[in-house]
Amino acid sequence: QLQLQESGPGLVKPSETLSLTCTVSGGSISSSSYYWGWIRQPPGKGLEWIGSIYYSGSSYYNPSLKSRVTISVDTSKNQFSLKLSSVIAADTAVYYCARRNWGSYGMDVWGQGTTVTVSS
Amino acid sequence: QSALTQPASVSGSPGQSITISCTGTSSDVGGYNYVSWYQQHPGKAPKLMIYDVNNRPSGVSNRFSGSKSGNTASLTISGLQAEDEADYYCSSYTTSSTLEFGGGTRLTVL
Repeated sequence: QLQLQESGPGLVKPSETLSLTCTVSGGSISSSSYYWGWIRQPPGKGLEWIGSIYYSGSSYYNPSLKSRVTISVDTSKNQFSLKLSSVIAADTAVYYCARRNWGSYGMDVWGQGTTVTVSS
Repeated sequence: QSALTQPASVSGSPGQSITISCTGTSSDVGGYNYVSWYQQHPGKAPKLMIYDVNNRPSGVSNRFSGSKSGNTASLTISGLQAEDEADYYCSSYTTSSTLEFGGGTRLTVL
């Protein structure tokens, strides 16, 4: 069955760029049936939607993060990526990648999550 | 502060039913039938329990059900079981073509 796996540095310095990749296995990221997204959860807090992307590259972002976020897709590697620039301590969180069906807004497959700490 | 409002905590005894509310506006919950509910156990990734207001993904117990009235959506869990103890989050599509989450509700099974 479809699986998602996040990867990337666990520690990022303030003002630098956080970069994470989500690898899709057991299915194709190029399927027209799905969107792919990023969600984060600061320690002890709730979930925050970061953004979503379609295999064609069409993307949508959380307005509160839009100026710092880029989500891209690499169909040749069956991966999609997150870049968050100018990070601060408040960006410390568990970052999840997830899939949702086109035409629906429930995210039905999630990665296990990866912890990113922003600290010097 | 989250865009969608949920109670911080709810509790119930095994076998009972509980309902968790999720209040938004006409720009999100009230404007679309795109409310989802997620269950999250400590240290685990969220799990989709309800999508598009009242649809259950394959494999989710029929003890979980969703509904919506106006700007408020609800998740009802019937026949409470110890394993239902977890955090629950609602999510909604918005007029800005974005998604937003509620602040989360901690369910305690007494």
